[in-house]
Amino acid sequence: SQQGEEDPQALSIQEGENATMNCSYKTSINNLQWYRQNSGRGLVHLILIRSNEREKHSGRLRVTLDTSKKSSSLLITASRAADTASYFCATERGNRLAFGKGNQVVVIP
Amino acid sequence: DGGITQSPKYLFRKEGQNVTLSCEQNLNHDAMYWYRQDPGQGLRLIYYSQIVNDFQKGDIAEGYSVSREKKESFPLTVTSAQKNPTAFYLCASSIVSTVTGFLNTEAFFGQGTRLTVV
Repeated sequence: SQQGEEDPQALSIQEGENATMNCSYKTSINNLQWYRQNSGRGLVHLILIRSNEREKHSGRLRVTLDTSKKSSSLLITASRAADTASYFCATERGNRLAFGKGNQVVVIP
Repeated sequence: DGGITQSPKYLFRKEGQNVTLSCEQNLNHDAMYWYRQDPGQGLRLIYYSQIVNDFQKGDIAEGYSVSREKKESFPLTVTSAQKNPTAFYLCASSIVSTVTGFLNTEAFFGQGTRLTVV
């Protein structure tokens, strides 16, 4: 089965609001990564959190990791129209990345 | 500028034809990957390679073939055996830790090739 399953699948928010999305996985991991994909484009790396880390920040992004629950969350604070994209979590096991189905986030100006 | 380049951006294939998608990187990365993305879906791994002249099947390798003759290049051939090839194909590259063998850093993606069967 596919590693990484984001929830919710689609999110529509007003500019300035926060957006939170979750990701669960099934087996032990070395790290978990979040990526953004604009429509019809490649993926862009946002943040990597290692299995021994619980929280990580990067600008307006905050990622948490709970290895006991096998879950992670991505919070985007003070969202902007430019944050409109699909967001994917990916789990790393050994030498490959496994991606979830992604969250579509629409930020309304 | 360092990066990963996929070509062409759009590709049309007639049924029964093989087509080859190009992926080139100048990041000096050892590992390269091919993913397939269908509408509303996540990415599924087709093939990956961690070193020149070596590659492994991913989750959906049937109907696809790859080669890794140079570190910079990892072309993907979609063969006529692939029954439903219409999709968005993404190539990626990354560093692999020489200590752990783990993928401890980010993957860099190309801009993708959209393949359509006509």
